[in-house]
Amino acid sequence: SQQGEEDPQALSIQEGENATMNCSYKTSINNLQWYRQNSGRGLVHLILIRSNEREKHSGRLRVTLDTSKKSSSLLITASRAADTASYFCATTSGSARQLTFGSGTQLTVLP
Amino acid sequence: SAVISQKPSRDICQRGTSLTIQCQVDSQVTMMFWYRQQPGQSLTLIATANQGSEATYESGFVIDKFPISRPNLTFSTLTVSNMSPEDSSIYLCSVERSRQGDTQYFGPGTRLTVL
Repeated sequence: SQQGEEDPQALSIQEGENATMNCSYKTSINNLQWYRQNSGRGLVHLILIRSNEREKHSGRLRVTLDTSKKSSSLLITASRAADTASYFCATTSGSARQLTFGSGTQLTVLP
Repeated sequence: SAVISQKPSRDICQRGTSLTIQCQVDSQVTMMFWYRQQPGQSLTLIATANQGSEATYESGFVIDKFPISRPNLTFSTLTVSNMSPEDSSIYLCSVERSRQGDTQYFGPGTRLTVL
C-alpha cells in the first residue's frame, strides 16, 4: 500500500526556475529516499535522509524532513529540461527493509 | 551504487502464458526486492527474496502467480504466471547496499505488455 501522498501530482515550470515537491507519510520512519524516473524506466536514486536529519544537500538538490509533520520536501534549483521526470519519495519503517512509495510527482521543465 | 541488470527489458506476451524476468547484480547482496509499477501508478512491493529461503510476499501477491527464485547472492528471477492484460506493468528489482546506509538501488525494469 502507499505510504502517503506527494503533491503536487504534476508540476510544470520554466527552465531556470526552482521546483519544489512535497511528500507526506503516515508512520514513523527510519529514513526517506527520493528517486527520479524518466519515461517509465528504472529508478535513479537521488538522496537519502535519515529520521534524525533535518536537511541534506546534493548538488542542485535540497531535501528537508519534518518528522513532527511526517513530511519531506525536495527542492531542485535552477531546473533544466533534463530534470523532466517523475519523482518519488519512499520510506522504510521499523525492521522492514522494503520501501513504501509515495504517489509521485510528474515534473515538466519547459525549455 | 550498484550495477543491476534485468532481462528482458521489455516483452509483449499472450494471455495465459508465463514470463520469467531475470535480475543480476554486480556484487553479493543479502536482500533483493521485486516491485510492480502499473501504468501511471507508483511502485508496489511484490515480494522480498532472500537467498536460501522462500520469498516473502506482500498482501495481494501469491507464490503461484509470482514464483521467485534466489539461487545465489547475485541473482534472482520473478515469473509472472498465467498472464492477463491486468499484469501489464513495469517490473523492477532492487537491492539494498547496507554499507551505504539503507540506500536501495533499482534495475532498469522490465516493461511487460499482455495482449
